[in-house]
Amino acid sequence: ETGVTQSPTHLIKTRGQQVTLRCSSQSGHNTVSWYQQALGQGPQFIFQYYREEENGRGNFPPRFSGLQFPNYSSELNVNALELDDSALYLCASSLSGDEAFFGQGTRLTVV
Amino acid sequence: GQSLEQPSEVTAVEGAIVQINCTYQTSGFYGLSWYQQHDGGAPTFLSYNALDGLEETGRFSSFLSRSDSYGYLLLQELQMKDSASYFCAVPSNTGKLIFGQGTTLQVKP
Repeated sequence: ETGVTQSPTHLIKTRGQQVTLRCSSQSGHNTVSWYQQALGQGPQFIFQYYREEENGRGNFPPRFSGLQFPNYSSELNVNALELDDSALYLCASSLSGDEAFFGQGTRLTVV
Repeated sequence: GQSLEQPSEVTAVEGAIVQINCTYQTSGFYGLSWYQQHDGGAPTFLSYNALDGLEETGRFSSFLSRSDSYGYLLLQELQMKDSASYFCAVPSNTGKLIFGQGTTLQVKP
């Protein structure tokens, strides 16, 4: 049974650019959630996907968007990057809302 | 709205016992979870309390009082490897998690 894997692990982007982060969920899990964790803060919920449909969204602007694929892997896209988007982006997978398993995260730096 | 409050930092010595408190305000309560996160690592699930009382898992225990909107994580026989950030979190019925700001635990020799 593989765990949750995210790619890339680190990324540096320039303000105004676009970025795509990827997540492979744990085998058998049909629900993926994305979180943003600023330095020294708790993770903040961005959105959740269940069976390829968005199933809840946190207080993030529309330039944060996502996808879930038939194999339940997922992407997080952020357009028009801002300096404040610099954070650790965490993906968590679960089976229909049960215990969430987190990936190691993608550290995004916007300069 | 939903919010969780926990201390920002706690320091203890190896072998000691430490308690990390969490108070919450939520609309719709399904239970209280605890996660551990080492520097640069993924949050890892420690415990979940849906009902009042104490849940014990090895050196870690977690307590919940729904009437007081309060819970705590108790770590016994502290080890250096327990130095990490600890988050309380409230899950929704869909599994979305609302996290506290985290408590940084420093274990000293």
